[in-house]
Amino acid sequence: AQSVTQLGSHVSVSEGALVLLRCNYSSSVPPYLFWYVQYPNQGLQLLLKYTTGATLVKGINGFEAEFKKSETSFHLTKPSAHMSDAAEYFCAVSYYMEYGNKLVFGAGTILRVKS
Amino acid sequence: NAGVTQTPKFQVLKTGQSMTLQCAQDMNHNSMYWYRQDPGMGLRLIYYSASEGTTDKGEVPNGYNVSRLNKREFSLRLESAAPSQTSVYFCASSEIQPTSKPQHFGDGTRLSIL
Repeated sequence: AQSVTQLGSHVSVSEGALVLLRCNYSSSVPPYLFWYVQYPNQGLQLLLKYTTGATLVKGINGFEAEFKKSETSFHLTKPSAHMSDAAEYFCAVSYYMEYGNKLVFGAGTILRVKS
Repeated sequence: NAGVTQTPKFQVLKTGQSMTLQCAQDMNHNSMYWYRQDPGMGLRLIYYSASEGTTDKGEVPNGYNVSRLNKREFSLRLESAAPSQTSVYFCASSEIQPTSKPQHFGDGTRLSIL
């Protein structure tokens, strides 16, 4: 069965510092992995996704993630945090059901950016 | 370009009342989904519909019913609301395949049951 673990329910960084949000997955088949961001009182917005090919994936707003099969990880990073990055971030793994695709989400990590 | 539209955005109910949450998408997607979001638990799938005319249970279906009215619309009904159903509800849509296609989310319905 597929599952996702996000380490750290809350992460706090200073503006300009490195952002690192951790995600580990469990999947019985080659995974498709996603990071979504949720700003307050809004829906989820796709940040980036890994399907196949290059293991370093670049997304919107300067975020990137590296797929490491040996570590079953898909950590999200950004070199320099901005105040506007404060949000909740969800890692998810996708797999095909009998009818349609299913997303399994991690519990989420709330990112706080200090000035 | 609206994407996925959910109504209402906020609702307060009393225990035992019923209500229907509406969702419509304009991306011509076949698959639609209903999730609930609770603190510290991520999003959990309530029901999904792979295509018009089909629906199936997800992870937490108890207390809910759904209707896929047509390709665009997918509604979620609470027949007798309970405080445990206080949550934020999200509708999403996607293409059926491939699995690498992302789901697109609405802005959510914030539901409180007293």
